[in-house]
Amino acid sequence: SQTIHQWPATLVQPVGSPLSLECTVEGTSNPNLYWYRQAAGRGLQLLFYSVGIGQISSEVPQNLSASRPQDRQFILSSKKLLLSDSGFYLCAWSVFSRQYNEQFFGPGTRLTVL
Amino acid sequence: AQSVAQPEDQVNVAEGNPLTVKCTYSVSGNPYLFWYVQYPNRGLQFLLKYITGDNLVKGSYGFEAEFNKSQTSFHLKKPSALVSDSALYFCAVRDGYNFNKFYFGSGTKLNVKP
Repeated sequence: SQTIHQWPATLVQPVGSPLSLECTVEGTSNPNLYWYRQAAGRGLQLLFYSVGIGQISSEVPQNLSASRPQDRQFILSSKKLLLSDSGFYLCAWSVFSRQYNEQFFGPGTRLTVL
Repeated sequence: AQSVAQPEDQVNVAEGNPLTVKCTYSVSGNPYLFWYVQYPNRGLQFLLKYITGDNLVKGSYGFEAEFNKSQTSFHLKKPSALVSDSALYFCAVRDGYNFNKFYFGSGTKLNVKP
């Protein structure tokens, strides 16, 4: 069966510090991978998605970047965090298929920038 | 533009009563629609999807959803609510052009009172 891992689970960082959040998927090959941010426990904002190694699509210009160094690894980074980067970060994967596109989400990382 | 609307921030229902969580969508092409549930501080869990076929779709935990093309709606339903159904519910639609992208509603908080 497939599983998705995210770490760390919680993170408190000062403004201006760097960020690295990691997401890995097990039990599937060549998944689509996604980073979302959820602010104030509500709507999801798509930040980045990737359909393959080294392929990153950015949805919202901002202080963050993403990388996919391996097939099942997706990393969210920042060189200098802003207060507005606080939120709940969710990684998700889906199968690349016209028919079966439901997404499977990781447990999330709660980021607080102080 | 492609989008999803969940008109109710919160839905309150008594245990044992039927529940409905509303969703309307706007998408180019054939709609691929999804419902997800989120418990506090957790990732989203897939509940059900509509791809094609019967307008009434059955999913996990006794939930079902009714697709209505003329009203562009995809309401989530359950005949008898449980206290444990209390959670945040998200409707989502796949982009009609870019099958790798999804749009999520703002979420509806379901409160089931004993």
